[in-house]
Amino acid sequence: NAGVTQTPKFRVLKTGQSMTLLCAQDMNHEYMYWYRQDPGMGLRLIHYSVGEGTTAKGEVPDGYNVSRLKKQNFLLGLESAAPSQTSVYFCASSYLGPSNQPQHFGDGTRLSIL
Amino acid sequence: EDQVTQSPEALRLQEGESSSLNCSYTVSGLRGLFWYRQDPGKGPEFLFTLYSAGEEKEKERLKATLTKKESFLHITAPKPEDSATYLCAVQAIGDAGKSTFGDGTTLTVKP
Repeated sequence: NAGVTQTPKFRVLKTGQSMTLLCAQDMNHEYMYWYRQDPGMGLRLIHYSVGEGTTAKGEVPDGYNVSRLKKQNFLLGLESAAPSQTSVYFCASSYLGPSNQPQHFGDGTRLSIL
Repeated sequence: EDQVTQSPEALRLQEGESSSLNCSYTVSGLRGLFWYRQDPGKGPEFLFTLYSAGEEKEKERLKATLTKKESFLHITAPKPEDSATYLCAVQAIGDAGKSTFGDGTTLTVKP
């Protein structure tokens, strides 16, 4: 099992360019999440999804959009990249169950905006 | 608003020198507290879930404990391979599985 796969692993953009980050999971998880992690900081939630066709805003959603057209995929879009969006982006997924479920993470996309 | 504060920010130990990492939290209703390990260039990897005050979980040299306001990750006789950033996160009741993360403690174990 691959678990959670993120593509691309690295990307450099110019200010104002757009791009989409792809997250794919093969664990049949209902919940998926996008986080950003800046140096010396923990993970901040951007957007999340509780199921196919649903999305919701997290802690820092401005400047980002998401879509979940298929259960296994969660896309994060930057319409007009800004230097403040330089960060490492992590996707995670978790199982919907009666008890607390940990999140399973990909290895991140390192994004630089020049 | 849920909050998680981890201390210290960084911890340097000699191999075999035991210590503890702290995670203080404020949450409206705790559904679960999670500990993750993150290696450089990698995503966080799940270690433990704690559900209620008084609970303890162990894995090799690591033991996690939980009170009503904080959690500790105790590291006994650490080895260099235990060097990593340790993240604490809380889930609140009714919060769609969302987690609030602390900023982490970076542990370095010198041989």
